[in-house]
Amino acid sequence: QVQLQESGPGLVKPSQTLSLTCTVSGGSIRSGNYYWSWIRQPAGKGLEWIGRIYTSGSTNYNPSLKSRVTISVDTSKNQFSLKLTSVTAADTAVYYCARVRVGISIVVFDIWGQGTMVTVSS
Amino acid sequence: DIQMTQSPSSLSASVGDRVTITCQASQDISNYLNWYQQKPGKAPNLLIYDASNLETGVPSRFSGSGSGTDFTFTISSLQPEDIATYYCQQYENLPLTFGGGTKVEIK
Repeated sequence: QVQLQESGPGLVKPSQTLSLTCTVSGGSIRSGNYYWSWIRQPAGKGLEWIGRIYTSGSTNYNPSLKSRVTISVDTSKNQFSLKLTSVTAADTAVYYCARVRVGISIVVFDIWGQGTMVTVSS
Repeated sequence: DIQMTQSPSSLSASVGDRVTITCQASQDISNYLNWYQQKPGKAPNLLIYDASNLETGVPSRFSGSGSGTDFTFTISSLQPEDIATYYCQQYENLPLTFGGGTKVEIK
């Protein structure tokens, strides 16, 4: 079965760039009608959608983060990545990658990574 | 952005009780609503999609209903393993947005 795993630094300094990668295993990132997405969750708080990418490279971002976010895909490595620039303490959160299943009247986050904690601190 | 308002923010119920959570959208989202369960320290897990459809493998004690702006999520008979926070999520418009969550505890 398809599994997702986030990786990247757990500590980022303020004003620097947060970079995370999600590796997809158990299936090809190109198969099926799926988007690939990033979601984050500050400690004790709710979920915030960051953005999504299709394997064609087409992206959509949350306007609240759009000026600082880039999501990219590397189909040869079965990975997709997140870059968030100019981070502040407000970007401290657990970051999840997720598969987005798309169909007629359906857009669901059906498979999630375990999440990775990123702390922004000097 | 479409705002999703869940209530209550937390509740305490006994094993076997019927539990109901509501989710209100700031505008008409038709049936474009999902429900997720998140246990402590874990990623969310999809339970209900398109407002009322049970995801494969999810126990039948979970159900969802509603359309337009008002939605309901129900656990027909609360089990100890249902202790979690539950989130609604809309997909009528981008950005995709979630409700604030409802924490369910055992009394």
